[in-house]
Parts: sequence; C-alpha cells; structure tokens
Amino acid sequence: GEDVEQSLFLSVREGDSSVINCTYTDSSSTYLYWYKQEPGAGLQLLTYIFSNMDMKQDQRLTVLLNKKDKHLSLRIADTQTGDSAIYFCAESPLNQAGTALIFGKGTTLSVSS
Amino acid sequence: DAGVTQSPTHLIKTRGQQVTLRCSPKSGHDTVSWYQQALGQGPQFIFQYYEEEERQRGNFPDRFSGHQFPNYSSELNVNALLLGDSALYLCASSFYGRVTYEQYFGPGTRLTVT
Repeated sequence: GEDVEQSLFLSVREGDSSVINCTYTDSSSTYLYWYKQEPGAGLQLLTYIFSNMDMKQDQRLTVLLNKKDKHLSLRIADTQTGDSAIYFCAESPLNQAGTALIFGKGTTLSVSS
Repeated sequence: DAGVTQSPTHLIKTRGQQVTLRCSPKSGHDTVSWYQQALGQGPQFIFQYYEEEERQRGNFPDRFSGHQFPNYSSELNVNALLLGDSALYLCASSFYGRVTYEQYFGPGTRLTVT
C-alpha cells in the first residue's frame, strides 16, 4: 500500500544545516513535495521535484531524490529560528482519476539560537 | 491575488450533528481537494472535485460528502458526526491541466466534536 515515512523530530542550532529525510513507497509517483506547517496554520508548499531528477536547489533549500531507494531529503542551509515548524513530505501516485497527495506524519524541526 | 480561503475558522459541534465547511480556491485554479489532519498526524486525502464532479476519493465513509460549484468553490459536508471527526480540515486548490499538480492549501477549519 501507499505509505510515506519520516523521522518525527530534528533539533539543530541556528546557522547549522538541517536535513530532513523521507521514504515513500509508490514508484509511480511522478512528483514529490515538501510542505511546511507552522503552528495553527495551513500547509505552505516549499518545493517539489520531478521523479526523473536527482537534485533540485531553490535558495537555501536542496532536495535530493534517490529513486532506486525511494528516498527523498530536504536540506535547509543556514537554518534560522523562523524555520522551526513541521515539515511534511508528500507523494502523488500516478492515477488517471486525480492527483491525491499522500503525506507522511511530519518532522518537527526545532531551531535553537 | 487571494490565496485559498476557508470558512469558518473554528467550529464546535455535538456528536450526531451535521457540519458544512466551505472553500474558495486560489484565483485561476479549477480543482479542489479536501484533507483531514488529526492532531499530530499528516493530512489524509478525503476527495477531490473537478468540473463539479468527485474525481477521486480516499478511504473515508459516505458520511463525508462534497460539492463543487460552477465558480469552482467547494463544500465539505459531514453527517452524523463522531468524536473522531475532530480535526483540522484543509482545502487545497490546483489547476487540473498543470502537469506539476501543485496543490496550495488554505488555513484550514478546526472542527471540534463534543
């Protein structure tokens, strides 16, 4: 079945790099996404990667994809206290009917100054 | 450019009652998806509407139903509320023809069932 798994917590110091990992199960997923959720808020789309890419960089964010191992990671360079939030990995399995997103349980990133 | 909007922000209902949540998609988007996020969990897909029809459905009972209007806005209805329906309900909009399937989320409606 479909399942996305993430480590639950990550704690880093301000200025360090953060790496959040995710594994997914559906090899048909063409796009993989990272969302950020701050307390009491909805989800903010951070970035996404197409399945035929290995890496995508967007300012402080770097996404790495290992399709063979179905492993996705999000690296945040120069992590700031404002980056403290829950980060969700999501896949979109290929489905002619629609484009449902399957989310992991989220990784809580705590940044200390 | 207004993003995805949802109403109400918070709602308290009693077990057995019915509730309707509303969503207006981002300008230019024609597809609306609904997700349920229980406390401490990731969002779970309920269903997706495009061209006023339910196109895809997740593993939710028939008590959950929806509707999409000609202006692309959408409603989520939940009948016979259970305590376990307490959650944050998120609406996401997207443009069906766009291959990247980016979904943009609203702030959510927090439903509490007592």
